[in-house]
Amino acid sequence: ETGVTQTPRHLVMGMTNKKSLKCEQHLGHNAMYWYKQSAKKPLELMFVYNFKEQTENNSVPSRFSPECPNSSHLFLHLHTLQPEDSALYLCASSPQGSGGGNTDTQYFGPGTRLTVL
Amino acid sequence: EDQVTQSPEALRLQEGESSSLNCSYTVSGLRGLFWYRQDPGKGPEFLFTLYSAGEEKEKERLKATLTKKESFLHITAPKPEDSATYLCAVQVGRDDKIIFGKGTRLHILP
Repeated sequence: ETGVTQTPRHLVMGMTNKKSLKCEQHLGHNAMYWYKQSAKKPLELMFVYNFKEQTENNSVPSRFSPECPNSSHLFLHLHTLQPEDSALYLCASSPQGSGGGNTDTQYFGPGTRLTVL
Repeated sequence: EDQVTQSPEALRLQEGESSSLNCSYTVSGLRGLFWYRQDPGKGPEFLFTLYSAGEEKEKERLKATLTKKESFLHITAPKPEDSATYLCAVQVGRDDKIIFGKGTRLHILP
C-alpha cells in the first residue's frame, strides 16, 4: 500500500468513550502531522512529530493525546470528547519536517470523519 | 499576524469557462506556497509548490503563479471533474509554520 492511510474512515462515539485514530505513511518521510478540519474553517494544525519527537502542540485540549511510536505510525487517542470535536481529522507526512529551513511539502491521508454524540 | 486569504469563497463556472482563484498572504519570511485540491470526504491532494515571486507551474488545465503578495490558480477550459475545493497554504518563518486558507469551492457545470 502506498501513500498515507488512515483508519477508521468513519467513527461515531459517545462523550464518555475512548477511541484511537491511526495513521500510517509508506513514503519514508520523517515528519507526521495531525490536523482538524471543520466546516468553513481553515485546516487547524494540532500536533507535529519530527523523527518521532513531538515538536509542536497548538494548544490542543488534553482530551486529544498523540502517540508516535516510529516515523511511519501516528495515533490520536481520544477520550471524553465534546460534540464540537466532531470534524474531519487529517493525518499528513512530509519528508523533512519543520525547522530545517527547507520548504517541505505535506502529503495527506483520506481523513477520519469523527462524530461525537 | 501571518494570514492567508482565499477568494472567492465559492465559484460556479460553465464547462470551458476559464477563470482564476486568488490566494493573498501577509506573512513574514515566506519559504513556500502550496496549492492543494480536496474532493468531498477526502484528504487534500498536493498540486503545486511555488518558492519565489515570478515562478509559474502547470499541470493539465491548471497553472499556478506567485507574486510577493498573492498567488493565482488559473484554470483553463475547466471540465466538471475539476469541481473541488482548492486550498492554498504558506510555509513561513524560522519554524516553518504552515498556514492554510479557508479554500475556494469550485463547481463546474456541464
